[in-house]
Amino acid sequence: EVQLVESGGGLVQPGGSLRLSCAASGFTFSSYDMHWVRQATGKGLEWVSAIGTAGDTYYPGSVKGRFTISRENAKNSLYLQMNSLRAGDTAVYYCAKGTLHVMDVWGKGTTVTVSS
Amino acid sequence: EIVMTQSPATLSVSPGERATLSCRASQSVSSNLAWYQQKPGQAPRLLIYGASTRATGIPARFSGSGSGTEFTLTISSLQSEDFAVYYCQQYNNWPPLWTFGQGTKVEIK
Repeated sequence: EVQLVESGGGLVQPGGSLRLSCAASGFTFSSYDMHWVRQATGKGLEWVSAIGTAGDTYYPGSVKGRFTISRENAKNSLYLQMNSLRAGDTAVYYCAKGTLHVMDVWGKGTTVTVSS
Repeated sequence: EIVMTQSPATLSVSPGERATLSCRASQSVSSNLAWYQQKPGQAPRLLIYGASTRATGIPARFSGSGSGTEFTLTISSLQSEDFAVYYCQQYNNWPPLWTFGQGTKVEIK
């Protein structure tokens, strides 16, 4: 069974940092693009970052320069390093597997709260 | 930046009726358009990709159409489990960027 399990969420103060992890299983992790997508409470989905199979990375303007996506294929793991966090970054963060430029498998998410 | 606009924001439909959801792109995205379903407290689920191809395991009552800037998701006969929020998402070739619409909530009439 294809599965993605996020971890690392929590409460962090504005300006702080947090590193999210996503453990993948049930598929050949190294062969697929991976994404992070977030959702603030009661709001819509926002794409946060993507990483290709060659390690190429992509970000929207809202997080570029603050967030870093990375992968460790030997551990079937995806990461999101988040720095200079703001209240607006408060959300559930989902890890998603990419296929044909869409997100075909999603984890259950991990909650990040940025507050003093 | 390509902006995706979904309409209506909320759609009230009776079980067994047809639902038609719209998604408009601010510029052409060709057929690089997907639809997702999200139920309360759950992660999104991929329904449609390439504007009209159903994902694995998605019932035939879900269909997608359109290209360029205008897209439609149709649910032919709403079942109780279909009441949810639906998002469209586009993929831009270069630079690679993914953008979601703001969502359409399909509720029971």
